[in-house]
Amino acid sequence: GAVVSQHPSWVICKSGTSVKIECRSLDFQATTMFWYRQFPKQSLMLMATSNEGSKATYEQGVEKDKFLINHASLTLSTLTVTSAHPEDSSFYICSAKASGGTQNGELFFGEGSRLTVL
Amino acid sequence: GDSVTQMEGPVTLSEEAFLTINCTYTATGYPSLFWYVQYPGEGLQLLLKATKADDKGSNKGFEATYRKETTSFHLEKGSVQVSDSAVYFCALRGAGNQFYFGTGTSLTVIP
Repeated sequence: GAVVSQHPSWVICKSGTSVKIECRSLDFQATTMFWYRQFPKQSLMLMATSNEGSKATYEQGVEKDKFLINHASLTLSTLTVTSAHPEDSSFYICSAKASGGTQNGELFFGEGSRLTVL
Repeated sequence: GDSVTQMEGPVTLSEEAFLTINCTYTATGYPSLFWYVQYPGEGLQLLLKATKADDKGSNKGFEATYRKETTSFHLEKGSVQVSDSAVYFCALRGAGNQFYFGTGTSLTVIP
């Protein structure tokens, strides 16, 4: 299947700093990418939908000024957690929806990024 | 709104036992249904899917049938292996192309 690379896979930062997480579709184009947050032993919570070349659509309760999403190309979306605090510690997962080709519309997931805020 | 309700875990089975993980959904329109698997330390992977009523998705010995009348998509496997130990997520893709996930069911298979 198609590959989605997420980087970094884990990061530790101090409270008040900002952290950027990248999500890349390596062998396909994705006009739409999704960012999820997964708490321990819980499901994935959709945070926002990222569309290439336009503003992200955030789910209710997700602060858009805190979780900045940029989708500047068909293969890259970034999530920046600004002024991170310990409660932002979580597992963040991206997914990319394939555009065109035999896998059109299929959703592929990155391996996730573990963020720990001290 | 659209949602997925999934059987809570954790589930522990002996090798070669029969597995069922229940999943029911609520959706407007005609969603596509999916089962994803997350092995320890890895990301989610698509296990199987069904896009319309009465479709059966199957992969690696796992099966699930899209039942519109009961709004269900239960995951089954006749004989589980230790390597099947993972967390399984039921999901639907609604009319807006957004995915909604269940809470996940952790499966541990013991030799």
